[in-house]
Parts: sequence; C-alpha cells; structure tokens
Amino acid sequence: AQRVTQPEKLLSVFKGAPVELKCNYSYSGSPELFWYVQYSRQRLQLLLRHISRESIKGFTADLNKGETSFHLKKPFAQEEDSAMYYCALGSFNTDKLIFGTGTRLQVFP
Amino acid sequence: GAGVSQSPSNKVTEKGKDVELRCDPISGHTALYWYRQSLGQGLEFLIYFQGNSAPDKSGLPSDRFSAERTGGSVSTLTIQRTQQEDSAVYLCASSLPWGPSGNTIYFGEGSWLTVV
Repeated sequence: AQRVTQPEKLLSVFKGAPVELKCNYSYSGSPELFWYVQYSRQRLQLLLRHISRESIKGFTADLNKGETSFHLKKPFAQEEDSAMYYCALGSFNTDKLIFGTGTRLQVFP
Repeated sequence: GAGVSQSPSNKVTEKGKDVELRCDPISGHTALYWYRQSLGQGLEFLIYFQGNSAPDKSGLPSDRFSAERTGGSVSTLTIQRTQQEDSAVYLCASSLPWGPSGNTIYFGEGSWLTVV
C-alpha cells in the first residue's frame, strides 16, 4: 500500500537557519515524489518534483530509495517560506497522488 | 475559467442535513480528485475520477459520502446526514493523465464546511 509519513507537524526556525522537512514513503513499485506548498490564504500548489531534479525558491529534495525518503531542504530559510508543506507520492500504476499529513514551517525574523 | 473552481466557498449546515459541494475542473483535465483537509489530519484522499474508468472510492470515510462526475467534467461531492466531524475544508483538484514526468495536480480554493 502507498503511504507517506511526515513526522513533524510543526517546524520552527529563525531566518537564515537551514531547514529540513522530513518525508518518508512506503511503496513497492517505482514512485514519483512531490512537494506541495500552501501559503497563507492561497491554494495548494506544486513546489517541486523529484524527477525534475530542480531547485525552486532555494528548496531541493533528493529521492533516496534506500532510505525511502524525500526530505525537503533549504540552506537559509526566509520568512516568506512560512507555509504548510505536504509531501506526496504517486505512480503510473496507481495513477493518483497520496499526501502526507503535512508539516507547518514557521520562520521567525 | 483558468483554474479549478469550487462552490460554495463556505457552507454552514445543521447536523443531519445533506450538503452538496461542486467542483469545476480545468478544461481538458481528465483526472479529478477530492481531498479533505482538517486540522491534525493533513490532506485526506477521498475519491478519484480518471476519464471513463470506474472511480477510486477507497478514501470515502463512510457511506454517507458519495461523489459523481457528469460528462467527464463537473463533479459533485454529497455528504448525507452531516455530522460535526465532517467539518473540514473539502479540496478538489484536477490534472491531465499520468505522464512520463509524473503529474501535476491543480487545486481549487476549497469549500469550507462547518456542521453545527
């Protein structure tokens, strides 16, 4: 069965500090992993996907199949990064996205 | 419209009443999802429609919940005999079929349901 685990409900850091939002997944096939973000009073939107190997707004995430993880990282957090972050798992076989419970990131000035 | 549209944006209903929530997906998107977002529960998958295939209803929490999608476009999520624990934001999303580079789903702004 597909499962996404985000162990932290809340992560608080000061501006300029490094950030790592954890995501672990369970899936027997070949997964596609995504990070979605929801800023205050905005709709949920895609931040990045593992297959693109991109850096968006300074965030990166590497798929580690050995550890079944897809942690989201940023070396220097900014106040505008404060938001709710969801890790999501999908695949061509299941053709749908399953989300984790989300982590709220608070970046203090 | 350019994005996923949901209505109503806010709904307050009395316990025991039925409610209908509507979703108008992005034109051309064959896949449509319903999720429920509540405090402490994250984003809970409810139901998924893909083209003419039978919907994946595996996330519906009880038989009080049902959804349909007419003509492969607009979808309605119906909650019968609402309970207070149904209070949440109901999110609709749509996408193209799964492709080689995965899939991006686009969310609506949600329907805030409060059961009193």
